Amino acid sequence: RKEVEQDPGPFNVPEGATVAFNCTYSNSASQSFFWYRQDCRKEPKLLMSVYSSGNEDGRFTAQLNRASQYISLLIRDSKLSDSATYLCVTMFSGGYNKLIFGAGTRLAVHP
Amino acid sequence: NAGVTQTPKFQVLKTGQSMTLQCAQDMNHNSMYWYRQDPGMGLRLIYYSASEGTTDKGEVPNGYNVSRLNKREFSLRLESAAPSQTSVYFCASSGNVTGTGRYNSPLHFGNGTRLTVT
Repeated sequence: RKEVEQDPGPFNVPEGATVAFNCTYSNSASQSFFWYRQDCRKEPKLLMSVYSSGNEDGRFTAQLNRASQYISLLIRDSKLSDSATYLCVTMFSGGYNKLIFGAGTRLAVHP
Repeated sequence: NAGVTQTPKFQVLKTGQSMTLQCAQDMNHNSMYWYRQDPGMGLRLIYYSASEGTTDKGEVPNGYNVSRLNKREFSLRLESAAPSQTSVYFCASSGNVTGTGRYNSPLHFGNGTRLTVT
């Protein structure tokens, strides 16, 4: 079983739609959680951290459920520019920052 | 502010050839990492350096060596390339863990190196 699992997609949605991705993680020692965005043939870039209380950044909302060991990302009012692969990342510290990456969920927003 | 600079961007090697991927960061970060990314898989850690002068194996270290030349630079060497090492390689750096373990940006990535081994 992978440590971090994501639905690979693709999720094909029209502009303006609301779309949600889930990610499950297996290591209960995970301390921090993030969503990264990766455009085609580019490096991953941090989209947002995920806090226990949930957090929002504009059209993006991230939630963490420690009991069920999953995190989610909700994107409202999708834009064409949101088309990318979204990587779920967990982290725990043990002398260095051990980050585990999911394989990513691909989102394609169409006109 | 360049962030993380990685060279080369593309490379084609024949089986058995060697090469070194270079990485430098200008953010005064302690920790540096080398990842590889293959289709359908998450980024996998090859080697990391928690601080200057130390290096340790990650999840997939076989076939690679690293050097933390100084705080800024962390290189990855393939001594005898194999087709299984065809991949996209990313260098990354991060700052220290804070007391709460919270980060605004735990990893800064370089642009990546697309390596093909024939």
